Amino acid sequence: KAGVTQTPRYLIKTRGQQVTLSCSPISGHRSVSWYQQTPGQGLQFLFEYFSETQRNKGNFPGRFSGRQFSNSRSEMNVSTLELGDSALYLCASSLEGNEAFFGQGTRLTVV
Amino acid sequence: EDQVTQSPEALRLQEGESSSLNCSYTVSGLRGLFWYRQDPGKGPEFLFTLYSAGEEKEKERLKATLTKKESFLHITAPKPEDSATYLCAVQVYNQFYFGTGTSLTVIP
Repeated sequence: KAGVTQTPRYLIKTRGQQVTLSCSPISGHRSVSWYQQTPGQGLQFLFEYFSETQRNKGNFPGRFSGRQFSNSRSEMNVSTLELGDSALYLCASSLEGNEAFFGQGTRLTVV
Repeated sequence: EDQVTQSPEALRLQEGESSSLNCSYTVSGLRGLFWYRQDPGKGPEFLFTLYSAGEEKEKERLKATLTKKESFLHITAPKPEDSATYLCAVQVYNQFYFGTGTSLTVIP
Protein backbone atom coordinates (compact mmCIF):
# COMPACT_ATOMS: atom_id res chain seq x y z
CA LYS A 1 0.00 0.00 0.00
CA ALA A 2 1.59 3.26 -1.10
CA GLY A 3 2.12 5.93 1.51
CA VAL A 4 1.50 9.65 1.34
CA THR A 5 3.37 11.24 -1.55
CA GLN A 6 4.38 14.88 -1.60
CA THR A 7 5.87 16.72 -4.53
CA PRO A 8 8.21 18.36 -5.02
CA ARG A 9 10.60 17.36 -2.22
CA TYR A 10 12.61 20.56 -2.43
CA LEU A 11 11.79 24.01 -3.72
CA ILE A 12 13.60 27.35 -3.82
CA LYS A 13 11.54 30.45 -4.50
CA THR A 14 12.09 34.20 -4.41
CA ARG A 15 10.24 36.60 -2.13
CA GLY A 16 6.98 37.74 -3.68
CA GLN A 17 6.53 34.65 -5.81
CA GLN A 18 3.84 32.08 -5.28
CA VAL A 19 4.16 28.31 -4.90
CA THR A 20 1.95 25.25 -5.17
CA LEU A 21 2.66 22.03 -3.30
CA SER A 22 0.99 18.72 -4.03
CA CYS A 23 -0.06 15.80 -1.84
CA SER A 24 -1.40 12.40 -2.83
CA PRO A 25 -2.95 10.64 0.19
CA ILE A 26 -3.05 6.95 0.97
CA SER A 27 -5.63 5.23 -1.21
CA GLY A 28 -9.04 5.36 0.44
CA HIS A 29 -8.18 8.20 2.81
CA ARG A 30 -10.55 11.13 2.51
CA SER A 31 -8.97 13.54 5.00
CA VAL A 32 -5.86 15.52 4.10
CA SER A 33 -4.22 17.94 6.51
CA TRP A 34 -1.35 20.34 5.95
CA TYR A 35 1.24 21.44 8.48
CA GLN A 36 4.15 23.85 8.56
CA GLN A 37 7.20 22.73 10.52
CA THR A 38 9.95 25.13 11.56
CA PRO A 39 12.71 24.68 14.15
CA GLY A 40 11.32 27.41 16.39
CA GLN A 41 7.58 26.72 16.18
CA GLY A 42 7.38 22.99 15.66
CA LEU A 43 4.46 21.56 13.72
CA GLN A 44 1.65 24.02 13.14
CA PHE A 45 -1.68 23.12 11.63
CA LEU A 46 -2.61 24.92 8.42
CA PHE A 47 -5.87 23.34 7.30
CA GLU A 48 -7.73 20.09 6.77
CA TYR A 49 -9.79 18.97 3.82
CA PHE A 50 -12.35 16.19 3.91
CA SER A 51 -14.22 15.09 0.81
CA GLU A 52 -13.21 18.27 -1.09
CA THR A 53 -14.38 20.62 1.70
CA GLN A 54 -12.17 22.59 4.03
CA ARG A 55 -13.21 21.33 7.44
CA ASN A 56 -10.71 23.12 9.67
CA LYS A 57 -8.30 25.99 9.40
CA GLY A 58 -5.40 27.04 11.58
CA ASN A 59 -4.20 30.53 12.34
CA PHE A 60 -2.35 31.37 9.16
CA PRO A 61 -2.85 34.40 6.90
CA GLY A 62 -5.00 34.22 3.78
CA ARG A 63 -1.86 33.88 1.64
CA PHE A 64 -2.01 30.21 2.55
CA SER A 65 -4.78 28.35 0.78
CA GLY A 66 -5.55 24.85 -0.32
CA ARG A 67 -7.96 22.64 -2.14
CA GLN A 68 -8.83 18.99 -2.49
CA PHE A 69 -9.88 17.20 -5.63
CA SER A 70 -12.45 14.46 -6.09
CA ASN A 71 -9.70 11.81 -5.99
CA SER A 72 -8.64 13.18 -2.55
CA ARG A 73 -5.39 14.62 -3.88
CA SER A 74 -4.70 18.00 -2.36
CA GLU A 75 -2.74 21.09 -3.24
CA MET A 76 -1.53 23.90 -1.04
CA ASN A 77 -0.76 27.34 -2.40
CA VAL A 78 1.22 30.14 -0.81
CA SER A 79 1.10 33.52 -2.50
CA THR A 80 3.40 36.53 -2.08
CA LEU A 81 6.10 34.46 -0.40
CA GLU A 82 7.98 35.89 2.56
CA LEU A 83 11.34 34.80 3.98
CA GLY A 84 9.52 33.51 7.06
CA ASP A 85 7.60 31.02 4.92
CA SER A 86 10.76 28.91 4.61
CA ALA A 87 9.85 25.64 6.28
CA LEU A 88 9.12 21.96 5.86
CA TYR A 89 5.52 21.58 4.69
CA LEU A 90 3.98 18.29 5.66
CA CYS A 91 0.84 16.65 4.42
CA ALA A 92 -0.97 13.96 6.39
CA SER A 93 -3.83 11.72 5.34
CA SER A 94 -6.33 9.76 7.39
CA LEU A 95 -9.52 7.80 6.88
CA GLU A 96 -11.82 9.91 9.00
CA GLY A 97 -9.55 12.63 10.41
CA ASN A 98 -8.09 10.68 13.30
CA GLU A 99 -4.86 8.64 12.97
CA ALA A 100 -2.80 10.56 10.46
CA PHE A 101 0.01 9.30 8.27
CA PHE A 102 2.53 11.82 7.04
CA GLY A 103 4.39 12.26 3.80
CA GLN A 104 8.08 13.09 3.59
CA GLY A 105 7.37 16.78 3.23
CA THR A 106 8.34 19.56 0.86
CA ARG A 107 11.27 21.68 1.98
CA LEU A 108 10.56 25.24 0.83
CA THR A 109 13.31 27.83 0.90
CA VAL A 110 12.44 31.45 0.20
CA VAL A 111 15.37 33.70 -0.77
CA GLU B 1 -5.79 28.25 25.36
CA ASP B 2 -5.11 24.68 24.30
CA GLN B 3 -1.50 23.68 24.96
CA VAL B 4 0.77 20.70 24.56
CA THR B 5 4.14 20.63 26.34
CA GLN B 6 6.79 17.97 25.94
CA SER B 7 9.70 17.34 28.27
CA PRO B 8 12.57 17.08 28.29
CA GLU B 9 13.51 18.93 25.09
CA ALA B 10 16.50 16.67 24.65
CA LEU B 11 17.55 13.39 26.22
CA ARG B 12 20.79 11.43 25.93
CA LEU B 13 20.75 7.82 27.06
CA GLN B 14 23.26 5.04 27.09
CA GLU B 15 22.20 1.97 25.15
CA GLY B 16 20.08 -0.15 27.49
CA GLU B 17 19.27 2.75 29.84
CA SER B 18 15.47 2.96 30.13
CA SER B 19 13.67 6.29 30.52
CA SER B 20 10.39 8.13 29.91
CA LEU B 21 9.31 11.09 27.80
CA ASN B 22 6.48 13.29 28.97
CA CYS B 23 3.65 15.02 27.12
CA SER B 24 1.36 17.19 29.21
CA TYR B 25 -1.70 18.89 27.81
CA THR B 26 -4.32 21.43 28.77
CA VAL B 27 -7.14 21.07 26.28
CA SER B 28 -10.90 20.82 26.36
CA GLY B 29 -12.62 18.06 24.50
CA LEU B 30 -9.71 15.68 23.95
CA ARG B 31 -10.56 13.16 21.23
CA GLY B 32 -7.24 11.38 21.16
CA LEU B 33 -3.52 11.63 21.90
CA PHE B 34 -0.99 10.54 19.31
CA TRP B 35 2.71 9.74 19.44
CA TYR B 36 4.96 10.07 16.41
CA ARG B 37 8.62 9.47 15.72
CA GLN B 38 10.45 11.80 13.34
CA ASP B 39 13.87 11.21 11.83
CA PRO B 40 15.85 14.14 10.40
CA GLY B 41 14.58 15.29 7.01
CA LYS B 42 11.58 12.95 7.10
CA GLY B 43 7.92 13.20 7.93
CA PRO B 44 6.61 11.99 11.31
CA GLU B 45 5.98 8.26 11.57
CA PHE B 46 2.83 7.20 13.43
CA LEU B 47 3.44 5.18 16.61
CA PHE B 48 0.37 5.11 18.89
CA THR B 49 -3.09 6.50 19.51
CA LEU B 50 -4.55 6.70 23.03
CA TYR B 51 -8.16 7.66 23.59
CA SER B 52 -8.93 7.43 27.29
CA ALA B 53 -7.19 7.74 30.66
CA GLY B 54 -5.69 4.44 31.77
CA GLU B 55 -5.12 3.20 28.26
CA GLU B 56 -1.72 1.71 27.36
CA LYS B 57 -0.21 0.69 24.04
CA GLU B 58 3.06 -1.15 23.36
CA LYS B 59 5.29 -1.63 20.37
CA GLU B 60 8.69 -3.29 20.67
CA ARG B 61 10.68 -1.22 23.20
CA LEU B 62 8.07 1.55 23.41
CA LYS B 63 5.08 1.81 25.71
CA ALA B 64 2.67 4.74 25.78
CA THR B 65 0.35 5.54 28.68
CA LEU B 66 -2.32 8.18 29.19
CA THR B 67 -3.77 9.99 32.20
CA LYS B 68 -6.23 12.87 32.30
CA LYS B 69 -3.45 15.45 32.06
CA GLU B 70 -0.44 13.78 30.51
CA SER B 71 0.99 10.93 28.52
CA PHE B 72 4.26 9.10 28.92
CA LEU B 73 6.31 7.31 26.32
CA HIS B 74 8.43 4.74 28.11
CA ILE B 75 11.50 3.44 26.32
CA THR B 76 12.87 0.18 27.65
CA ALA B 77 16.47 -0.82 26.95
CA PRO B 78 16.83 1.61 24.03
CA LYS B 79 19.11 0.98 21.09
CA PRO B 80 20.94 3.54 18.92
CA GLU B 81 18.30 3.12 16.19
CA ASP B 82 15.73 4.55 18.60
CA SER B 83 17.46 7.92 18.26
CA ALA B 84 14.93 10.37 16.80
CA THR B 85 12.61 13.19 17.78
CA TYR B 86 9.42 11.99 19.43
CA LEU B 87 6.35 14.14 18.96
CA CYS B 88 3.04 14.01 20.71
CA ALA B 89 -0.17 15.55 19.41
CA VAL B 90 -3.64 15.98 20.84
CA GLN B 91 -6.80 16.00 18.79
CA VAL B 92 -9.44 18.50 19.84
CA TYR B 93 -12.57 18.17 17.72
CA ASN B 94 -10.99 18.07 14.26
CA GLN B 95 -7.81 20.00 15.00
CA PHE B 96 -4.43 18.64 16.01
CA TYR B 97 -2.01 20.41 18.33
CA PHE B 98 1.57 19.20 18.38
CA GLY B 99 4.21 19.55 21.05
CA THR B 100 7.69 20.67 20.02
CA GLY B 101 9.12 17.21 20.60
CA THR B 102 11.81 15.44 22.58
CA SER B 103 15.06 14.80 20.76
CA LEU B 104 16.35 11.41 21.90
CA THR B 105 19.94 10.30 21.37
CA VAL B 106 20.94 6.77 22.33
CA ILE B 107 24.69 6.29 22.66
CA PRO B 108 26.19 2.86 21.92
